[in-house]
Amino acid sequence: TQLLEQSPQFLSIQEGENLTVYCNSSSVFSSLQWYRQEPGEGPVLLVTVVTGGEVKKLKRLTFQFGDARKDSSLHITAAQPGDTGLYLCAGVESNDYKLSFGAGTTVTVRA
Amino acid sequence: EAQVTQNPRYLITVTGKKLTVTCSQNMNHEYMSWYRQDPGLGLRQIYYSMNVEVTDKGDVPEGYKVSRKEKRNFPLILESPSPNQTSLYFCASSPSTGGWNTEAFFGQGTRLTVV
Repeated sequence: TQLLEQSPQFLSIQEGENLTVYCNSSSVFSSLQWYRQEPGEGPVLLVTVVTGGEVKKLKRLTFQFGDARKDSSLHITAAQPGDTGLYLCAGVESNDYKLSFGAGTTVTVRA
Repeated sequence: EAQVTQNPRYLITVTGKKLTVTCSQNMNHEYMSWYRQDPGLGLRQIYYSMNVEVTDKGDVPEGYKVSRKEKRNFPLILESPSPNQTSLYFCASSPSTGGWNTEAFFGQGTRLTVV
């Protein structure tokens, strides 16, 4: 069982549609991050959230950290083919110092 | 340019033949770690190091060794590779291990095949 559960595992949508990816855990995190990984490359950080209830926007991407700091979501508005990739959430538990990753959500945006 | 450099990018080896994957970072980061990535399992931490001469096991350390003799280098050693270690490996470094400053910078990965 993974510390961070991501859903869905795969998501295929048409250009212009919206999508939401979820990251859930029973543990409390001091911070939670979202990364995007493209084929043949290492993951690249998109955002870090540290405060319960925090919402951060990055152009068409909106990230939310749950009030209890146990979950997060990534919402993409009007998805474009360039948004295609593997999205990974990662977090550091409040009583730990190790960065743990979810299994990832593969997003495909069709033109 | 700030980066994490792994070598080699691709490696095919035979069972039991010792190998080392090198990792070097030029950002003066204290925290370094190794992950393996397998389909459906995401990134699983193998070993991590919080500073020079300080290393500890991650979630899947069996069959691997590491060392941290210098701040910038963190090699991954497979003393006797087996086919179940066939995977995509990533080295990462972070400024620190707590709070907002835990952004992980990743290398480009090493695809290892053990036959």
